[in-house]
Amino acid sequence: SQQGEEDPQALSIQEGENATMNCSYKTSINNLQWYRQNSGRGLVHLILIRSNEREKHSGRLRVTLDTSKKSSSLLITASRAADTASYFCATVIQGAQKLVFGQGTRLTINP
Amino acid sequence: GAVVSQHPSWVICKSGTSVKIECRSLDFQATTMFWYRQFPKQSLMLMATSNEGSKATYEQGVEKDKFLINHASLTLSTLTVTSAHPEDSSFYICSASRGTGVSNIQYFGAGTRLSVL
Repeated sequence: SQQGEEDPQALSIQEGENATMNCSYKTSINNLQWYRQNSGRGLVHLILIRSNEREKHSGRLRVTLDTSKKSSSLLITASRAADTASYFCATVIQGAQKLVFGQGTRLTINP
Repeated sequence: GAVVSQHPSWVICKSGTSVKIECRSLDFQATTMFWYRQFPKQSLMLMATSNEGSKATYEQGVEKDKFLINHASLTLSTLTVTSAHPEDSSFYICSASRGTGVSNIQYFGAGTRLSVL
């Protein structure tokens, strides 16, 4: 079964607004990663946050991690039309090598 | 850096034929490669993990005789869908990892859309 669940499943906002996506997971992790997938394409790694970190920034991206609640959030500030894509969280479970992906959030930025 | 090339990007085949998909790391050596399957508007489902020079590790429910994986070098892994049937139609994506460290960042190919008639 999937490790992560993402919320919301779909999000539509106006260009310039901020977009927040949430991810919950079930087991202890080494790190949590966020990826972006444009329609019909492969995934692009966005950001990695380790289990001992609480917040991380990369450009317009801000990721938080709450290991006590087993949840993470991805905030995209000042959204652009080019941010339209599906966003997936993925966890690296302790003792395992593989990534386990959440169900994803389909983000649409309206011009 | 860290570019992964996947070929072909799209293939249509007749039922009963076999299809080979290639995944290449272009500018790094990939100790581990992964093969995923993705249905429309759904997440990625890991099919198998392959390490160079050893047999692939398949996820539960994935038929290893149906989906043959070869990882003959540190830059190339292939997935062969044998005797393909319409239910095998899907989007297949490969990824590669530089090492076995705790980061496990994966670099993805652009995917292959398989349509079996």
